[in-house]
Amino acid sequence: GENVEQHPSTLSVQEGDSAVIKCTYSDSASNYFPWYKQELGKRPQLIIDIRSNVGEKKDQRIAVTLNKTAKHFSLHITETQPEDSAVYFCAQNPGGYNKLIFGAGTRLAVHP
Amino acid sequence: EAGVAQSPRYKIIEKRQSVAFWCNPISGHATLYWYQQILGQGPKLLIQFQNNGVVDDSQLPKDRFSAERLKGVDSTLKIQPAKLEDSAVYLCASSLDFRTDTQYFGPGTRLTVL
Repeated sequence: GENVEQHPSTLSVQEGDSAVIKCTYSDSASNYFPWYKQELGKRPQLIIDIRSNVGEKKDQRIAVTLNKTAKHFSLHITETQPEDSAVYFCAQNPGGYNKLIFGAGTRLAVHP
Repeated sequence: EAGVAQSPRYKIIEKRQSVAFWCNPISGHATLYWYQQILGQGPKLLIQFQNNGVVDDSQLPKDRFSAERLKGVDSTLKIQPAKLEDSAVYLCASSLDFRTDTQYFGPGTRLTVL
């Protein structure tokens, strides 16, 4: 199907800790997996994405890993800061087309 | 580079009234999307345009929602008549073309139906 499951729905960490959010999908034709960050009342903003021809991508404190066999991908945030507090959405493109299906979101709270 | 523009930012209407939203994508972006984001949920695609043609409108409630992109640039999304469950943020996004996956979102229009 087209759905993507995202866990956990809420995540609370102490500043400096790591945070991991995981998404699973079912369409083996999906080949693009972006992660968006949405602060309260703001637009979703792309923070990192990965395509199916690589297994990991890193950008400073943010990394995404993809396991095509198991059909799951994860967002890793290291050395979390209070400004990382937001809702994070994963997405995937069923059928390999340019249509995104979003997960339900993870509300991350980073406590000083 | 200017981002995706949307207006109005907020709209409050009563049920059974009509409402229209406007979107101006990033200059040169051929693909435009309208999403509905209900509070506490992820964005849900309503309709996707490639230039002025519809690529996917499978999730658009066509009995009350309509959208157009007549000249392949700006787009309008209309709801007529509105229902209480239409209360949501309506997000417009654009991408360079059908084959480029990165989508950039506008600020959204928050619709409240009373």
